[in-house]
Amino acid sequence: TQTVSQSDAHVTVFEGDSVELRCNYSYGGSIYLSWYIQHHGHGLQFLLKYYSGNPVVQGVNGFEAEFSKSDSSFHLRKASVHWSDSAVYFCAVTGTNTGKLTFGDGTVLTVKP
Amino acid sequence: NAGVIQTPRHKVTGKGQEATLWCEPISGHSAVFWYRQTIVQGLEFLTYFRNQAPIDDSGMPKERFSAQMPNQSHSTLKIQSTQPQDSAVYLCASSLQENTEVFFGKGTRLTVV
Repeated sequence: TQTVSQSDAHVTVFEGDSVELRCNYSYGGSIYLSWYIQHHGHGLQFLLKYYSGNPVVQGVNGFEAEFSKSDSSFHLRKASVHWSDSAVYFCAVTGTNTGKLTFGDGTVLTVKP
Repeated sequence: NAGVIQTPRHKVTGKGQEATLWCEPISGHSAVFWYRQTIVQGLEFLTYFRNQAPIDDSGMPKERFSAQMPNQSHSTLKIQSTQPQDSAVYLCASSLQENTEVFFGKGTRLTVV
């Protein structure tokens, strides 16, 4: 059984701050890990994905995520957030032999001016 | 590229009525997915197709839900005898292949009254 845990339901920061959104997973096998963003009233948009190689992957809009096998984690980071980054962020895992995504519960990021 | 198109965007049905949701995946994408999103359950996988063939329907409630993909340009999700607990946002998504970037539609908000 694969599970994804996003320990922070809500994160609030100020514009220009750095932020880290946490994701831990449990899965028995080779996996892909990804992050998606959902702005209010919109569908999900892909941010970035990791499968192998460099554990730090770069995504759109200055986001990056770091994979750690020892911690079973794939945390998302941004060095300097903008108010438009306010959204819900979902971490997801999928096995290499399936396209099915298992999502975490999401983290609501609020960026204050 | 208009992205994944879902129609209607909003649907209200009476309890016991049938609801059919439509999805037009991105042209050339071989994998098509259906997910359901609610506040309580979060994002739940329902089913997916590869090259129009059903691959995994492990998330589909067995009795009243069915999904079809009669051709490469559209998929439908049908819910018979809708119940209030079926109220959710139903998301369709497609990808070039499994484990490549997944593109989501804006969703259909189904409300069962």
